[in-house]
Formats: sequence, structure tokens, C-alpha cells
Amino acid sequence: GENVEQHPSTLSVQEGDSAVIKCTYSDSASNYFPWYKQELGKRPQLIIDIRSNVGEKKDQRIAVTLNKTAKHFSLHITETQPEDSAVYFCAASSGNYGQNFVFGPGTRLSVLP
Amino acid sequence: EAQVTQNPRYLITVTGKKLTVTCSQNMNHEYMSWYRQDPGLGLRQIYYSMNVEVTDKGDVPEGYKVSRKEKRNFPLILESPSPNQTSLYFCASSLSGPGLAGGFSYEQYFGPGTRLTVT
Repeated sequence: GENVEQHPSTLSVQEGDSAVIKCTYSDSASNYFPWYKQELGKRPQLIIDIRSNVGEKKDQRIAVTLNKTAKHFSLHITETQPEDSAVYFCAASSGNYGQNFVFGPGTRLSVLP
Repeated sequence: EAQVTQNPRYLITVTGKKLTVTCSQNMNHEYMSWYRQDPGLGLRQIYYSMNVEVTDKGDVPEGYKVSRKEKRNFPLILESPSPNQTSLYFCASSLSGPGLAGGFSYEQYFGPGTRLTVT
């Protein structure tokens, strides 16, 4: 089955700097790659996603890139702010209808003022 | 207000005592799924449902049951809970189900979570 690895497990950046989180997946049939943000004590919320027919997607300070050949995708956050501090999860959707979601173990991002 | 609700939010129980965690969504979503979240492991899919009366196993289904008799409800059943099922559980729902239209998928909306402790 699908396996998703995520690095780093913790990341500290200075406010205003950029943060990059990388994920790799194993199933070449996976076709949908969402990123979720989870603040302490709250539910995961989608921040950006990308489908396998797209190489890059951007939404204001957040961008995701996908390299299907290498089977890896990355989250880029620019001009980080203290409210970006949270745990970020990547995921890959696989199965005949993309119904199986496999999540990475998470990255704890701390933005230092 | 569009939402996914779970009940109870917190539960402490003893080994072997059957329990049910309810999940309900008011967005007319076809796809629903249950996950457990454990430190360092991310979220792991337990079961999912593509529509009413259509359910299937995720990555960690052992010890759990589900049913989908109505579109809005997707309860998670632990017939004989054990301490290794102590975890934070999330229900999620999605419009039209992931990947049904040529590989395209839709955002999953998560419930608030249920923290379960089995002693």
C-alpha cells in the first residue's frame, strides 16, 4: 500500500523567513495530494492541495510543488507569521477512486517572533 | 452552518465495554471516513464509506466496525475496546468522494475529534 514520509519532523524559523516541508510517497498511482494544518487542540484543516496533472499551485503565501517522477511534493510558506505555527500534515490519495488517504507523520512548525 | 459533528468529544471507558462514536454531517457529502491520530504517526485511516451502504477498510481497521445506513451519519463502533485503541479519533466528510471524476478529489472536512481513553 501507499507510504508517505514527511521531513522535517520539527522546524523552527524566524518570523518573515520561508519554511519548506517535504513529503515523499510510494504509490505512483496516487493522484491527489492535500496539505492540512492542525493547530493545538483543533481539527485538521485543508490549506492547499494539488492534483497529479499539475506541477505547482500557489495561494497567497502558500505554494505546493509536485514532482511525479521523483514521487515527492513540498509545501512552501513564505513570509512566515506567528499564526503559521502549527503541525502540518501532507497526504496522498490512492486506490481505484482515490478513496484511501495516507497521511505523513506531521511537521511541527514554530515561527519565532 | 455546514459542519461535521462527533459525539462524545471525550470518553473514558474500560476494556471490553462496547461503545459507539457518532459522526454526522449536514453537507450532503457522499464520502465519509474515520481516522485515528496518535503522536508521531499522523492520521491513519480506519474505515471509509463512498456512499450509503458502501463501506471499506482503511489502513488500520482491526477492532473497529462502521455502518452507513443514512447519508449523513457514519458511526464508529468498538465492540470490545482495548487499551491500544486509546487515541484521538476524527471523522471527515467530502463532497462526491475523492477521485470519482477522472482522478479529481475534494476537500475533506473534519469533525472536532473524540478523545478516547480505554483503561
